[in-house]
Amino acid sequence: GESVGLHLPTLSVQEGDNSIINCAYSNSASDYFIWYKQESGKGPQFIIDIRSNMDKRQGQRVTVLLNKTVKHLSLQIAATQPGDSAVYFCAENDNTGFQKLVFGTGTRLLVSP
Amino acid sequence: GAVVSQHPSWVICKSGTSVKIECRSLDFQATTMFWYRQFPKQSLMLMATSNEGSKATYEQGVEKDKFLINHASLTLSTLTVTSAHPEDSSFYICSASVLSDEQYFGPGTRLTVT
Repeated sequence: GESVGLHLPTLSVQEGDNSIINCAYSNSASDYFIWYKQESGKGPQFIIDIRSNMDKRQGQRVTVLLNKTVKHLSLQIAATQPGDSAVYFCAENDNTGFQKLVFGTGTRLLVSP
Repeated sequence: GAVVSQHPSWVICKSGTSVKIECRSLDFQATTMFWYRQFPKQSLMLMATSNEGSKATYEQGVEKDKFLINHASLTLSTLTVTSAHPEDSSFYICSASVLSDEQYFGPGTRLTVT
């Protein structure tokens, strides 16, 4: 669905804490999910992805969890650093065969030193 | 690898004029390119999908006569905003993919219409 609203949810953490950013996706047929990081005035930057045949995937300092039962996706960032401050978006591939991505509303992560 | 560029990075134009934004895949050939629009503090909204040599597929609510997309080669797609108005002011982002799910995003173009 469309993203509405002018205020992004914000998560504020201290440097060194672990951060968890959540996302509810809309299409039960989606089979591929991606987390992106977007800094102000820049394009989205790929962080990590996961396919629907998995429920967990780990990268460097990041972990993505997928719960298909409740259509929920989360991004965990370990030992959060000030450089992690950005807006984070989840995106789902709606599995129509056209590689289209539907983006979530986004969460702003603020990391205090 | 997989670098996508956009030009210009920002542009200011007067109401009623047209502006062209270029999207290039620098080190790969993109079978599909996508154009997104992002308003302040909002998410990315897909405008259209284009494949090289064929007409773009526009999302519902996007005027194809206003947002002209040309995908002339496997490394270049252009978006022309015709007769721009202040409400077209936005951040326009392109992405490119190569026969896979992953999309490589450009840095975006900030359009301001005065």
